[in-house]
Amino acid sequence: QSVLTQPPSVSGAPGQRVTISCTGSSSNMGAGYDVHWYQQLPGTAPKLLIFGNNNRPSGVPDRFSGSKSGTSASLAITGLQAEDEADYYCQSYDSSLRGVVFGGGTKLTVL
Amino acid sequence: EVQLVQSGPEVKKPGDSLKISCKASGYSFTTYWIGWVRQMPGKGLDWMGIIQPDDSDTRYSPSFQGHVTISADKSISTAYLQWSSLRASDTAMYFCARLLSGSRRFDPWGQGTLVTVSS
Repeated sequence: QSVLTQPPSVSGAPGQRVTISCTGSSSNMGAGYDVHWYQQLPGTAPKLLIFGNNNRPSGVPDRFSGSKSGTSASLAITGLQAEDEADYYCQSYDSSLRGVVFGGGTKLTVL
Repeated sequence: EVQLVQSGPEVKKPGDSLKISCKASGYSFTTYWIGWVRQMPGKGLDWMGIIQPDDSDTRYSPSFQGHVTISADKSISTAYLQWSSLRASDTAMYFCARLLSGSRRFDPWGQGTLVTVSS
């Protein structure tokens, strides 16, 4: 059972918009800790996709965006492309556990 | 270019010891913490622990405390993850990643080391 809760899977057709939710608690996102998102393409290492709730590292397309409110965060992907098919993970810090916490991951399928 | 390069795949037997490595380049190794993350087959990411290479201050996830040891050699910019007695349940991909302290995000990640434990 992950500290951060994500839906196991989402899907969308090419060109559509999808969102992935990440729900935490008062000891992580609710305490003001940032949420970050990682993309893991099949057979590769995770890659930082969104940091500090809503910032994109250099090279990440602006089709990807993040938001956070209270104890929840979400990742939005617009203009869905076949190459976006991957696993997506949210991550934050938890003050009760005194460590990094990940969501369980969401598998995005492009139909 | 900031890069973390991990050691190659390992096949071990239950009870064996193992030490895998993560060599950093392209930045000041002692400035940032390094973390280790486990990914069991078909599963999600599990944070194992972090180390500050300058003074070897180490923090472990309660789930891994006592079963693994994280260390670093700052003279060769390398972090390590080791086991003294492997179990079949340690079969997984292990990633190292640089921790950016302010926001506590991991970037970049190593390519991963696959550890297979089987009799």
